[in-house]
Amino acid sequence: KQEVTQIPAALSVPEGENLVLNCSFTDSAIYNLQWFRQDPGKGLTSLLLIQSSQREQTSGRLNASLDKSSGRSTLYIAASQPGDSATYLCAVVNSNYQLIWGAGTKLIIKP
Amino acid sequence: KAGVTQTPRYLIKTRGQQVTLSCSPISGHRSVSWYQQTPGQGLQFLFEYFSETQRNKGNFPGRFSGRQFSNSRSEMNVSTLELGDSALYLCASSLGEGAKNIQYFGAGTRLSVL
Repeated sequence: KQEVTQIPAALSVPEGENLVLNCSFTDSAIYNLQWFRQDPGKGLTSLLLIQSSQREQTSGRLNASLDKSSGRSTLYIAASQPGDSATYLCAVVNSNYQLIWGAGTKLIIKP
Repeated sequence: KAGVTQTPRYLIKTRGQQVTLSCSPISGHRSVSWYQQTPGQGLQFLFEYFSETQRNKGNFPGRFSGRQFSNSRSEMNVSTLELGDSALYLCASSLGEGAKNIQYFGAGTRLSVL
């Protein structure tokens, strides 16, 4: 059974810092891995989608990596801003083409 | 282009009642997926509809059902509500089949069961 873990559960950093969020999964048989952010009252926003054959994806200040063999992904946020404050969720698509979600990392960027 | 619209935004029901939630996808999207989010279990996949057919189903009891109309709008129904059904219900739409593609989420319907 696929399980997704995100560490840490919460993170608070000063504005301007670069930071890394971690995601691990137990079964390497994934279709893709996705990162989302969730803002209160606004649902979920897809940030990056990495296919199982890819190693990384980039969008603006965000870079996500995927290491299937070790069951790990990282989301790197460069030059953090207060607007980056949100809960970041990692999810993998399993062999049944269902999204299996981590519990999220709540990120606070202090001005 | 309008985003994914979920109605209503908030609902309060009592145990034993039934409820219907609605989701209007982004124009042109044929796939609608439903998710339940609770503090204890986090986000869990309920089911996915593509071109009016249920293509995938998560591990939820039969009290949870859904359907999709020819205009791709989808409804989710929960019968015989239990306290544990209190949750944020999110729907997401995509051009292609569900989780294989980027999904766009609505703001959710928050259901409280008393």
